[in-house]
Order: sequence, then structure tokens, then C-alpha cells
Amino acid sequence: DIQMTQSPSSLSASVGDRVTITCRASQNINTYLNWYQQKPGKAPKVLIYAASSLQSGVPSRFSGSGSGTDFTLTISSLQPEDSATYYCQQNYNIPLSFGGGTKVEIK
Amino acid sequence: EVQLVESGGGLVQPGGSLRLSCAASGFTFSSYWMHWVRQAPGKGLVWVSRTNTDGSITTYADSVKGRFSISRDNAKNTVYLQMNSLRVDDTAVYYCARPRTTSGGAFDIWGQGTVVTVSS
Repeated sequence: DIQMTQSPSSLSASVGDRVTITCRASQNINTYLNWYQQKPGKAPKVLIYAASSLQSGVPSRFSGSGSGTDFTLTISSLQPEDSATYYCQQNYNIPLSFGGGTKVEIK
Repeated sequence: EVQLVESGGGLVQPGGSLRLSCAASGFTFSSYWMHWVRQAPGKGLVWVSRTNTDGSITTYADSVKGRFSISRDNAKNTVYLQMNSLRVDDTAVYYCARPRTTSGGAFDIWGQGTVVTVSS
């Protein structure tokens, strides 16, 4: 099974800051990596698919990069509505697996 | 509008059973694999199960294999999760999810979730 490790587990940043979240896979997953945002009491929402493709309707301040085992989600200018938990997920093989999550708080 | 609506959650004793339903609308349900994902209170997302377009292929996480069964009724645009021999650690919000494309990929459509509580 592929293990997904996210870091940090939480962060606090100010509005306008550039925020970076990393995700590492336990084996090569090519670019089969997706990023989700989840707010309390809500279902997850896909932000980035296939490592770097922006889902329709998602603000352009979100971007993704990486391939193989190391991936990054970047928020170029943090906004108040970006307060949420972010998860990476691999869909390279079954069982699908998610990272442990990164909770982003606004200072 | 493309949407998924889950139902069937509730409180059940350890060892009991529940059947979750997920009704789809706004897209060609029969063309998509469908998945279940769960989230225990205060914890992360965990993939549970998937089924192919006609229900002939099913796959499960090791933690539920032999206890849970996924199925679908394309005439009713509904996917089910039959959960037997429930354990306290099955307590979670259960989401059904649809991949972006008929070939798979990220989950772009999620239901609102249904809460399953296993407790005596």
C-alpha cells in the first residue's frame, strides 16, 4: 500500500502570505496526485488534480507541482476563506490513500 | 445540477448492520465508477470501497473486507454500501464520491455525508 505523508500538520499564516504544503508518497506515483480542501462539517472539494491541473472554478492562487514521490500545494496569497484542512491523495493504485491533512489557520 | 445525496446513517450497536445509499443526479451515473470514503471524528479521509460501472468489479480497504459490500442499481442511479459486523471504529461520516472522468481520477463530486455511529 502507498503511504502519503503531509507536512506540516498545521500552520498559521497571515493574509497575503505565500503558503506551501508538501506531500510525499512512499513510492513513485508519477503525477497521480490530487489535492483537496475541506472546511468543518463539509465534504472535501478538489483543488488540483494530476499534480498540477487546476480544477475548474478554483482560484488561480492555488497551484500544484511535483512528480514521482514529492509534491507541493502552494497558495500564492493566502485569503481568509482559505482557512481549512488540506489533503493530498494518490490515485496511482488501490487502495487509494490520503495524506494525514494540513490544517491552515489565518493569523 | 450534478449531485450525490447519501442516506441511511444512524446509531447502531456493535455487531449490527446498516445499509447506506447514495443517490446520483445530473450526470450519466452508469458511466462512472463510484467510491465510498469515510472520516472518523476529528480524523482524516480514508478510502473504503469502489465499484465499476456495472457492479461486476468491487474493491475494498483491508479494514472493511469481508464485512462491507458495495453494490449499485443503475436503473435507480444509486450506489449502496452494506455494512455488517459493525465495530466501534467504523464510526465515521461516510461520503460517496465520483471521479472526475469516466476513466477515473480525482473525486470532483462528493455527497454531503451520512453519519454512522457504532456504540452500545
